[in-house]
Amino acid sequence: DFVMTQSPDSLAVSLGERATINCKSSQSVLSRSNKKNYLAWYQQKPGHPPKLLIYWASTRESGVPDRFSGSGSGTDFTLTISSLQAEDVAVYYCQQYYSTHYTFGQGTKLEIK
Amino acid sequence: DVQLVESGGGLVQPGRSLRLSCAASGFTFSTYSMNWVRQAPGKGLEWLSYISSSGSAIYYADSVKGRFTFSRDNAKSSLYLQVNSLRDEDTAVYYCVREGEGGSYSSHWGQGTLVTVSS
Repeated sequence: DFVMTQSPDSLAVSLGERATINCKSSQSVLSRSNKKNYLAWYQQKPGHPPKLLIYWASTRESGVPDRFSGSGSGTDFTLTISSLQAEDVAVYYCQQYYSTHYTFGQGTKLEIK
Repeated sequence: DVQLVESGGGLVQPGRSLRLSCAASGFTFSTYSMNWVRQAPGKGLEWLSYISSSGSAIYYADSVKGRFTFSRDNAKSSLYLQVNSLRDEDTAVYYCVREGEGGSYSSHWGQGTLVTVSS
């Protein structure tokens, strides 16, 4: 099974500063056939279902602000928020959809410093 | 707009069964693969099960294999999750999730239905 490990578990960043969340997969999620990384990022605010932010590791979902970006390949990935806004306070999850058993990271709680 | 509305949750005793439903609208249901994901109180997300657009392929997480059964009725644009032999650790919000246009990422989520297992 693919194990997804996020770091850190929690993060406090000042408004306007950069926030970086990492996600490491126990196996590569890069497809040799189409050169795509089967990795997505989600944002979840309290009392709400998760919201898709990024898929294929770096493709921003429609309507997601461009301060959110995804990078990485193979086993190591990063979600970056370039300038933290108050509404970005949430828990962020990565997920691999490479295998038939999708798995999520444990989540990273992002707060304002 | 895509809408996914779960129902069927509630308080149930350990060992009992429950059937969760998900009513889909706003898209051509029969052309999308679907998933169930759950979230225990204060915990992270756990993928449970996948069903292909036709229903011919179904996969389960090891934690629920043999106890949970995923099915769909494309004529009714509905999903079902039969959950048997419920345990305390099955207490969670259960989300119905639609896959994306071009890949298996989870593009649309329902609001979830809460299942509480307690005597």
